[in-house]
Amino acid sequence: LAKTTQPISMDSYEGQEVNITCSHNNIATNDYITWYQQFPSQGPRFIIQGYKTKVTNEVASLFIPADRKSSTLSLPRVSLSDTAVYYCLVGDGPSGGYQKVTFGTGTKLQVIP
Amino acid sequence: GAGVSQSPSNKVTEKGKDVELRCDPISGHTALYWYRQRLGQGLEFLIYFQGNSAPDKSGLPSDRFSAERTGESVSTLTIQRTQQEDSAVYLCASSLTLGLAGVHNEQFFGPGTRLTVL
Repeated sequence: LAKTTQPISMDSYEGQEVNITCSHNNIATNDYITWYQQFPSQGPRFIIQGYKTKVTNEVASLFIPADRKSSTLSLPRVSLSDTAVYYCLVGDGPSGGYQKVTFGTGTKLQVIP
Repeated sequence: GAGVSQSPSNKVTEKGKDVELRCDPISGHTALYWYRQRLGQGLEFLIYFQGNSAPDKSGLPSDRFSAERTGESVSTLTIQRTQQEDSAVYLCASSLTLGLAGVHNEQFFGPGTRLTVL
């Protein structure tokens, strides 16, 4: 049973806001939600993590509804350099925890000039 | 400071040969992870080490795969009798610790080793 479900790909024009939604219906009570970004030929890079409501940093915002069964990564005013694969992660263990993390296939974002 | 380093960056080998991949984690990081990423695919967990605890090897795809870590330093991933389906990028990551239940401690990734089995 997949821990998370995300769109396989998305296209966006430069300067637009991009929202990538991830479903995690079976998230454990104590699990945080984490997003990574991977550029071609590089390892993933941590972007943001949250537990509920909204988290914002210099790169992105993360919106988590009260039921926590989904989350949305928001990238403001994307540029060509934001073209990457974005992974949503929740805990892998039966009671949460990140011991054996599965990154899945992520969402491939293509930013168009 | 120095990040996670991996060597070699590229490895081409013949089917049936053994290969050894190396990972140097960030100093002070007690947790270390190995992943495999096939072309166009997501990251597949292989194994993690946490301090002196027994490693979790449940992600290793077959008994041809093994990994070791010396204390909280360098780790090696060994693939014996390589097969063509072993061709992939092998990524190593480290984090301060595994993190408490539910909390994910940021993983810092190395550049990976691209393995090609002919």
